[in-house]
Amino acid sequence: DQQVKQNSPSLSVQEGRISILNCDYTNSMFDYFLWYKKYPAEGPTFLISISSIKDKNEDGRFTVFLNKSAKHLSLHIVPSQPGDSAVYFCAASASGANNLFFGTGTRLTVIP
Amino acid sequence: NAGVTQTPKFRVLKTGQSMTLLCAQDMNHEYMYWYRQDPGMGLRLIHYSVGEGTTAKGEVPDGYNVSRLKKQNFLLGLESAAPSQTSVYFCASSQDRVKAFFGQGTRLTVV
Repeated sequence: DQQVKQNSPSLSVQEGRISILNCDYTNSMFDYFLWYKKYPAEGPTFLISISSIKDKNEDGRFTVFLNKSAKHLSLHIVPSQPGDSAVYFCAASASGANNLFFGTGTRLTVIP
Repeated sequence: NAGVTQTPKFRVLKTGQSMTLLCAQDMNHEYMYWYRQDPGMGLRLIHYSVGEGTTAKGEVPDGYNVSRLKKQNFLLGLESAAPSQTSVYFCASSQDRVKAFFGQGTRLTVV
């Protein structure tokens, strides 16, 4: 039973345009959300996070939006660059839990 | 700045063989995790540890055992490998139970 869902397996975007990656969750106990980026043959690396007390967090070209009522979060990358091409995982943590729950990932391809 | 190091990076096992995957972290983190990544399944937690000498089951613990005798090391054992355990295994560590740092992964094939 997947508690964190990324329904788009892949996304292609032109360089310089906005990339929007989406994530839905089912567990209302989740209070912290993260995005990880993964290149081939490497481990996932932390990208950006957001607490459930906020609805937006920005870090340079990356912004995460959280809509608690819809149990939905999204990652915006503006402007997209070819080096952003990777698999992006959404993850969530519940208060009092000791681990993260991951989505299935979205493969982003930024076309030069 | 080694971070999280996994050994080995690749391994091929025959069904029924055993092996141990080693994870070492140099960040003095309390929490350590073993995940497996399969196509279309994302990352799934196998076992984790909240400190030296502790272990706990994750989402998919069957067929695996773990030990955390030293704070910096977290071992994942397969006692009798099965083809269903063919996967990419990631170790991670964390200080705050949330922001995890991952190793480069171990690609295991069981034939």
